[in-house]
Amino acid sequence: GDSVTQMEGPVTLSEEAFLTINCTYTATGYPSLFWYVQYPGEGLQLLLKATKADDKGSNKGFEATYRKETTSFHLEKGSVQVSDSAVYFCALSDPTPMAGGTSYGKLTFGQGTILTVHP
Amino acid sequence: EAGVTQSPTHLIKTRGQQATLRCSPISGHTSVYWYQQALGLGLQFLLWYDEGEERNRGNFPPRFSGRQFPNYSSELNVNALELEDSALYLCASSLFGTVGFYEQYFGPGTRLTVT
Repeated sequence: GDSVTQMEGPVTLSEEAFLTINCTYTATGYPSLFWYVQYPGEGLQLLLKATKADDKGSNKGFEATYRKETTSFHLEKGSVQVSDSAVYFCALSDPTPMAGGTSYGKLTFGQGTILTVHP
Repeated sequence: EAGVTQSPTHLIKTRGQQATLRCSPISGHTSVYWYQQALGLGLQFLLWYDEGEERNRGNFPPRFSGRQFPNYSSELNVNALELEDSALYLCASSLFGTVGFYEQYFGPGTRLTVT
């Protein structure tokens, strides 16, 4: 079955430090890949996505590149801020055959990585 | 535009009882998904409904069930509650299509505690 493995946390950084959160996956099909973020006291939000090999998703200074050869989708940010403190989840959606086509309904998540950024 | 709403916010039950959780999707969204976020176990997919039909089911026992109503809102029912059912239950909604991915928007969750 599908699975997502994230680097274990928590991760603690100083402001303006470089961030990398590793994510690798196994999938039966050709999945789409995502990073979700959960800020303290808030719901889960989509941060960025990539739907095919070599695609780079980016948002709010975060980037991740879909690497099919290494089955990876590592999250990076060049300079983190205190406001980036949150829990980050890597996820994938495998195509599901449906009547009339293909759908990408079910998300498979990694364990989540807690990021704390200090001033 | 209102986001995904869930009720109740917190629910406390005892072992063996039944719990009912509710979710209202974003207007125009026909797909509703349920996920379980248990401590230390990340987010696990439970159920996916669209147009009143169950489209997919995660690796959970049959005592986890649900339904989707004609207005696309959804209920998750957990029967014969066990202590390990204590978790945050998240609902998400999206458009449904057979081409590509439609972003899932998540609600704030219902915290279920089983004592």
